[in-house]
Amino acid sequence: EAQVTQNPRYLITVTGKKLTVTCSQNMNHEYMSWYRQDPGLGLRQIYYSMNVEVTDKGDVPEGYKVSRKEKRNFPLILESPSPNQTSLYFCASSLEGAGANVLTFGAGSRLTVL
Amino acid sequence: AQTVTQSQPEMSVQEAETVTLSCTYDTSESNYYLFWYKQPPSRQMILVIRQEAYKQQNATENRFSVNFQKAAKSFSLKISDSQLGDTAMYFCAFMRTMDSSYKLIFGSGTRLLVRP
Repeated sequence: EAQVTQNPRYLITVTGKKLTVTCSQNMNHEYMSWYRQDPGLGLRQIYYSMNVEVTDKGDVPEGYKVSRKEKRNFPLILESPSPNQTSLYFCASSLEGAGANVLTFGAGSRLTVL
Repeated sequence: AQTVTQSQPEMSVQEAETVTLSCTYDTSESNYYLFWYKQPPSRQMILVIRQEAYKQQNATENRFSVNFQKAAKSFSLKISDSQLGDTAMYFCAFMRTMDSSYKLIFGSGTRLLVRP
């Protein structure tokens, strides 16, 4: 089944404890991205990647890092999480070019930072 | 900068009736994509319908259709014969055609409740 898989789905952590949210897709998509969803704000793009070793900032990149060492994986790294990073996170992927506007989303990861 | 506005935080409709969700957007671009996404309680983001701005014909997917008014920058979603499974948060979203980030710009969402 074609899908985007995120882990963990739920996580409670404490301020300053580094964590990684993994994202993997099995569709050979070039493009991958991360969004965060907050009440009243919709979803906002954090980082995106056009292909292996090509990443760039979205609208809200502060406090996050990403890497794209393999085409299928695009982990989101919080080096020193803070309570304002408590949110629902989505990974998404798509083909490049004409198919790029059709994003496939993961199931979401609910992160709570105490 | 592009913005997307959904002015109805919550709506309610009786099962089998029709409901329309509103969305307006602001852009100086002439070509772009517009989307409606559904987010049920499972939190999954599900694409409901997509419209390309250069196409004048309104998109339709089964019970879901849009009223795309390019000059007014309006993109409303009509759900016909509402079903209990339509209960969800609905997001309107915009994407620039020439944006290499393929960034979706979302509205704040409309929570729809379908009453039995």
